[in-house]
Amino acid sequence: DAGVIQSPRHEVTEMGQEVTLRCKPISGHNSLFWYRQTMMRGLELLIYFNNNVPIDDSGMPEDRFSAKMPNASFSTLKIQPSEPRDSAVYFCASSLQGWKTEAFFGQGTRLTVV
Amino acid sequence: GDSVTQMEGPVTLSEEAFLTINCTYTATGYPSLFWYVQYPGEGLQLLLKATKADDKGSNKGFEATYRKETTSFHLEKGSVQVSDSAVYFCALSDGANSKLTFGKGITLSVRP
Repeated sequence: DAGVIQSPRHEVTEMGQEVTLRCKPISGHNSLFWYRQTMMRGLELLIYFNNNVPIDDSGMPEDRFSAKMPNASFSTLKIQPSEPRDSAVYFCASSLQGWKTEAFFGQGTRLTVV
Repeated sequence: GDSVTQMEGPVTLSEEAFLTINCTYTATGYPSLFWYVQYPGEGLQLLLKATKADDKGSNKGFEATYRKETTSFHLEKGSVQVSDSAVYFCALSDGANSKLTFGKGITLSVRP
């Protein structure tokens, strides 16, 4: 398996523009997580899905952020409108549901909002 | 709620030095514990894990023992290499949802 695949790897956009980040989890995994990493706040869980259903979105910063998982092999994280403080590295991770299983991370998308 | 506390960093060591990175946790149930490593420009990779008390996880010369009595999962390596330079995260998973709670991470730099 190719692992968790995220696209794009880098995104530079202007403030106010819509940004869509994409994630393809490992085949067979049924849990998917979106994390954000910044120097100031470290690694933050934004939202996670089990079996394509959002379970906990309490980490989503505000209404400008939304995430979807239309099927088991694809998820998106959208920011509309984007702001400079959204600049961060966004990671997607997937796992088999269960507390003994580890999550596998993608390479991340480095987002810069200017 | 669940939380993970890591020692403050960064840490700088000479090659072949002994490494200890402290990690303690708070959880309501019986969590699984993990150490992840992040090399520059990459995503997080699982380094090792332990799923019950007194379990020892090990990989690439790193070890950590699940200590329920002290709620700790300290990472150790007897002789670090320059290639071990990275950011290390302690994490726990408590419950069936696989949701990971991470510590803040600590940057390790190993000089030749």
